[in-house]
Amino acid sequence: NAGVTQTPKFRILKIGQSMTLQCTQDMNHNYMYWYRQDPGMGLKLIYYSVGAGITDKGEVPNGYNVSRSTTEDFPLRLELAAPSQTSVYFCASRLGQANQPQHFGDGTRLSIL
Amino acid sequence: AQTVTQSQPEMSVQEAETVTLSCTYDTSESDYYLFWYKQPPSRQMILVIRQEAYKQQNATENRFSVNFQKAAKSFSLKISDSQLGDAAMYFCAYRSAGSGGYNKLIFGAGTRLAVHP
Repeated sequence: NAGVTQTPKFRILKIGQSMTLQCTQDMNHNYMYWYRQDPGMGLKLIYYSVGAGITDKGEVPNGYNVSRSTTEDFPLRLELAAPSQTSVYFCASRLGQANQPQHFGDGTRLSIL
Repeated sequence: AQTVTQSQPEMSVQEAETVTLSCTYDTSESDYYLFWYKQPPSRQMILVIRQEAYKQQNATENRFSVNFQKAAKSFSLKISDSQLGDAAMYFCAYRSAGSGGYNKLIFGAGTRLAVHP
């Protein structure tokens, strides 16, 4: 049981480049989330999904896009990378019941130079 | 909007001693969940303990326990018999129990815990 798997673990991008951060979970969770963690801070929600085909914005969605074509996968797309997007990105998932905790991936450290 | 405040940026404890990390939150809701997550240098986010607001009994998980004071909106974490492996960043988090929306986690800024041998 792999849980939540994120790839890549590290990436360096040049300003203006695009990339997709991959997230997949094998727990059949309906809810999936993308967070970013800036140095010395807690996590902030970028986008979330409550099921395949359903996504919505969180607190800090600008500069990002997501899709959810399957229950398992929830990729995060950066279209035009900017230095302000240098951060650690976490994907998380959970079951639909409100008392269930979120399970996190190991994170992707992204640097925009 | 809900907020979570961790007023201790850094704490330290001697191995085998007890330490308490503070967390306060602000909400107008009556039903919600509170969590403590541990983030070691490996960067993983590991769930330590959770508390349902409707439960008066404080949650415990082995050496970890909480002091949940609903009226004071306080949710502190006590680590007993501290071990070197407890050294990490600890985040307090809040989540609404409401059925609408996405039940996002709202995180505090974290407390970095150092454990000295």
